[in-house]
Amino acid sequence: GAVVSQHPSWVICKSGTSVKIECRSLDFQATTMFWYRQFPKQSLMLMATSNEGSKATYEQGVEKDKFLINHASLTLSTLTVTSAHPEDSSFYICSARHLYQETQYFGPGTRLLVL
Amino acid sequence: GDSVTQMEGPVTLSEEAFLTINCTYTATGYPSLFWYVQYPGEGLQLLLKATKADDKGSNKGFEATYRKETTSFHLEKGSVQVSDSAVYFCALSGLLVNSNSGYALNFGKGTSLLVTP
Repeated sequence: GAVVSQHPSWVICKSGTSVKIECRSLDFQATTMFWYRQFPKQSLMLMATSNEGSKATYEQGVEKDKFLINHASLTLSTLTVTSAHPEDSSFYICSARHLYQETQYFGPGTRLLVL
Repeated sequence: GDSVTQMEGPVTLSEEAFLTINCTYTATGYPSLFWYVQYPGEGLQLLLKATKADDKGSNKGFEATYRKETTSFHLEKGSVQVSDSAVYFCALSGLLVNSNSGYALNFGKGTSLLVTP
């Protein structure tokens, strides 16, 4: 149990385009989902926390207009990178948490390359 | 805020060697502690966890004991295999420094492990 999927796993896009990444909890209801960014050989940087039915909470330094997060249901959260630029190229990982539990379950990640 | 300090890597071991990856934490409350593993090109997988002092988490031959007196949660395995090569992250569930999200997972920087045949 506790499987989280992400789609797509890889995306290459041109500078200026927008990219949407989906995060789904497949076998449980996730009241809270988290979005992380990971640079090569580094730890995960929390970008935002997404609660179902409410606005996402962004970490300091993360542009909310650039990284749009929607958590419309208990099993789906989306991250849209708007007007992507090469510096947005990174590995984006989502995680999901059961209601009332601390353990986060992670998706396999999405590698974004902006040309 | 709460924080996690992990030993620097990379760690290189021969197959069947004993593994220890040190992790210490600072926390104002009583956090839960976790070890996650990341294989190349993949997301993170929960390896084991402990929710209170003296708890021992274990999975796939890995163990870690929640030591409140030394604020540590060191990861150990008696005999590593080549397939254990990965990056290991220690984490606690607590208040993040400079975070707007309140309680969330606070990760160490990760320790890369390479096991050679």
